[in-house]
Formats: sequence, structure tokens, C-alpha cells
Amino acid sequence: DVKVTQSSRYLVKRTGEKVFLECVQDMDHENMFWYRQDPGLGLRLIYFSYDVKMKEKGDIPEGYSVSREKKERFSLILESASTNQTSMYLCASSLERVAPLHFGNGTRLTVT
Amino acid sequence: QKEVEQNSGPLSVPEGAIASLNCTYSDRVSQSFFWYRQYSGKSPELIMSIYSNGDKEDGRFTAQLNKASQYVSLLIRDSQPSDSATYLCAVNSGTGGFKTIFGAGTRLFVKA
Repeated sequence: DVKVTQSSRYLVKRTGEKVFLECVQDMDHENMFWYRQDPGLGLRLIYFSYDVKMKEKGDIPEGYSVSREKKERFSLILESASTNQTSMYLCASSLERVAPLHFGNGTRLTVT
Repeated sequence: QKEVEQNSGPLSVPEGAIASLNCTYSDRVSQSFFWYRQYSGKSPELIMSIYSNGDKEDGRFTAQLNKASQYVSLLIRDSQPSDSATYLCAVNSGTGGFKTIFGAGTRLFVKA
């Protein structure tokens, strides 16, 4: 079974801090994704990656960057955290581009 | 117009009844369609995927796809209280880099 592991379940950071959210998958999936989920807005795609060192902007990339140095690891970076980035962050992976997503348990980030 | 639209609900059905969840999407070249279930505080889990017009059944769940009408639905037969959750419709578009776009979700309550 696919396992997608996010490094932290809960995080509390201060405004202006640089924040790293880590995600690791163990099924050799090519594709990895970062979403954020907010009440009433659903899941919104931040960034995704089809291969090592490749990245594509999703629908809301502003204020975020990503890194994929190894196939199994996809990191989301908040360059300077702001209160409007308080959210649930979900990492996912998929075997193929049109295949279903497998989600991690999520990281609930609070920026104060 | 939102790319993937769902009625936010809540949808309330008695135990044993059929729950019907609906979703419309805007991108005509969409290729893959998914239904995810999300319990409160948990990450989404895949319950159905459908790729061609018609019905697909899996246990108590039936997904229906009509590409001409850009409509996908999920029927849950013999609804159980454990089915109470938010159901997310997701569409993988062939444009924009094969992104998976989610609807905001429909909350379902099954009353015992």
C-alpha cells in the first residue's frame, strides 16, 4: 500500500519565518503534489512535480516554493510565513498523471 | 465559473436510504474523475474512479459519468452512519499539466 508521510502533523510558526513542510512517498511515484485545504474553499493546488528537479505552478503558488531533489521527497517552502497561510497542507503522490492521488495525513500550520 | 462544482450540502439521509451526490465540471477535455471521502480531521481517501461514460459499481457505491453533460455523480446505497463524511469530487484535466482539481465537497449526514 502506498504510504505518503508528512513530517509534522501540527506546526505553529511566527509571521516572517521561513517554513519547510516535508513529504516522502515510498512507492516510487513520479508525480507529487502540494495542496492546501481551507473551509469552504476545498483543496487548492499549490505546486506539483512530475520528476526530480521539475516543478509546475498550481493555482495558488504565490508565497510558496518547492524542492524536489530526490524522487521520493517533495518539500514545500513558505519563504516568509504570513497569517493568511494558516491552513491544512496536504501532500499527495500518484503513479501516473491521470491516476488517483494518495494523500499524506496533512500538516495543520498555524502562523501567528 | 468554478472548474468543479458541488452542492456543499449538508445532505441528510436516513440510514438505509440512497444518498446521491452530484458534481459538474467545466473542462471538456477532462479525462479522469474521482470521488474521495474525507472524515473530519482526516485526509481524503479514494473511494471511486471513473474514466469512461456510464456507470461503475463497487459494493454499495456507484459512480456515473456523462461527459456530454459534464456531469459525474456518486450513489451510495444502503447508507450507513459511518458514511457520514465530506465527499470530494475531483477531475483530472488534460489541460494545464494534468492537474487534479477538486470541488469544495458535499457534507453527508446519515441519520441512524
